[in-house]
Amino acid sequence: AQTVTQSQPEMSVQEAETVTLSCTYDTSESDYYLFWYKQPPSRQMILVIRQEAYKQQNATENRFSVNFQKAAKSFSLKISDSQLGDAAMYFCAHPKYIFGTGTRLKVLA
Amino acid sequence: GAVVSQHPSWVICKSGTSVKIECRSLDFQATTMFWYRQFPKQSLMLMATSNEGSKATYEQGVEKDKFLINHASLTLSTLTVTSAHPEDSSFYICSARLAGRNREQFFGPGTRLTVL
Repeated sequence: AQTVTQSQPEMSVQEAETVTLSCTYDTSESDYYLFWYKQPPSRQMILVIRQEAYKQQNATENRFSVNFQKAAKSFSLKISDSQLGDAAMYFCAHPKYIFGTGTRLKVLA
Repeated sequence: GAVVSQHPSWVICKSGTSVKIECRSLDFQATTMFWYRQFPKQSLMLMATSNEGSKATYEQGVEKDKFLINHASLTLSTLTVTSAHPEDSSFYICSARLAGRNREQFFGPGTRLTVL
């Protein structure tokens, strides 16, 4: 079965600190992409970062980076120097367009 | 670039009526569009995938006669909720994908449907 699991329903981080959101997935494909999306209170889905499975190097976008462990089927998101604007729901997305249950990130001033 | 719009953003209707939601890719041609449903404080549930000019592929458990999807052009897909009932009240989100292998989706802002 194609699944995506986010085991942290809610996380809190102090402003300027670093936080890691976890995601595990299952797929039978060998070549695929994984995504992290952010959904702020406006509910507009915003792409945070994308990882290509055939690339061993972890993707990085400014303060956002991933730890992609293909064999373990793990795809965690690290947010460095957290900002108040990072507060949102974060969803990990599977190559078959299946989304995880989400992690609500709170950023404390 | 890669903007997706949805119309309406919010609709209230009476039970038994049908509601059409439009999803448009404004500055690109979308070979594939997706429709999701999101309940409050929950994740996005993929309802169906539509490809231009062909029938939509529905996910298991989604009633295709209830949720009619039409993808008549490369920039427009519509979702019609037929004979809507209060349990159909939800937030509906569409997304569009460019041709190519990176599979990034561009999301619309969503439509809140309330059925009285």
